[in-house]
Amino acid sequence: GQQLNQSPQSMFIQEGEDVSMNCTSSSIFNTWLWYKQDPGEGPVLLIALYKAGELTSNGRLTAQFGITRKDSFLNISASIPSDVGIYFCAGGGSNYKLTFGKGTLLTVNP
Amino acid sequence: GAGVSQSPSNKVTEKGKDVELRCDPISGHTALYWYRQSLGQGLEFLIYFQGNSAPDKSGLPSDRFSAERTGGSVSTLTIQRTQQEDSAVYLCASSLAGGNNEQFFGPGTRLTVL
Repeated sequence: GQQLNQSPQSMFIQEGEDVSMNCTSSSIFNTWLWYKQDPGEGPVLLIALYKAGELTSNGRLTAQFGITRKDSFLNISASIPSDVGIYFCAGGGSNYKLTFGKGTLLTVNP
Repeated sequence: GAGVSQSPSNKVTEKGKDVELRCDPISGHTALYWYRQSLGQGLEFLIYFQGNSAPDKSGLPSDRFSAERTGGSVSTLTIQRTQQEDSAVYLCASSLAGGNNEQFFGPGTRLTVL
């Protein structure tokens, strides 16, 4: 089946720093989605990308759909303590299924 | 509007007992998904419902797991004869249509099997 490699597995940063995480795949995806999960909650959709090369922002978050359609990155600028959580990438094919990465655990030190 | 809701939020049960987990999708969403998330792991697909079509059960780990979706809305995930390895967070998601990949998740049910 399709596999996603998400990195890094975890990050420890200082408040105010920028963060970058990415996902790569050996397969092509038609959609890339980025989710954030807080402890005890379900994942919340942050950004959805539908076109190769697309660069989309949502506040301090920016994500790009790689031109090869096999990768995506998420950047968070000027991190704040509430950015703490687990970030998941997910790739969507021509069917309904999403393939999820294993997540990046982000810790922000105030 | 209301998001995806799940109940109970926590369930502790004894090994061998049956459990039922409930999911109420976003109104108007025709697609519904169940996932399992073990500690520190990503999301494992279990089952998918789309309208009146036959569900995709390809992710169910054993025949102890089953799910129903009544009236195209509420869904229940049933685990029979629970085992300790069934302990996990069970997440439900819905989307506007099966071909739309934007899935919206509920808060999950944390299942602990003693």
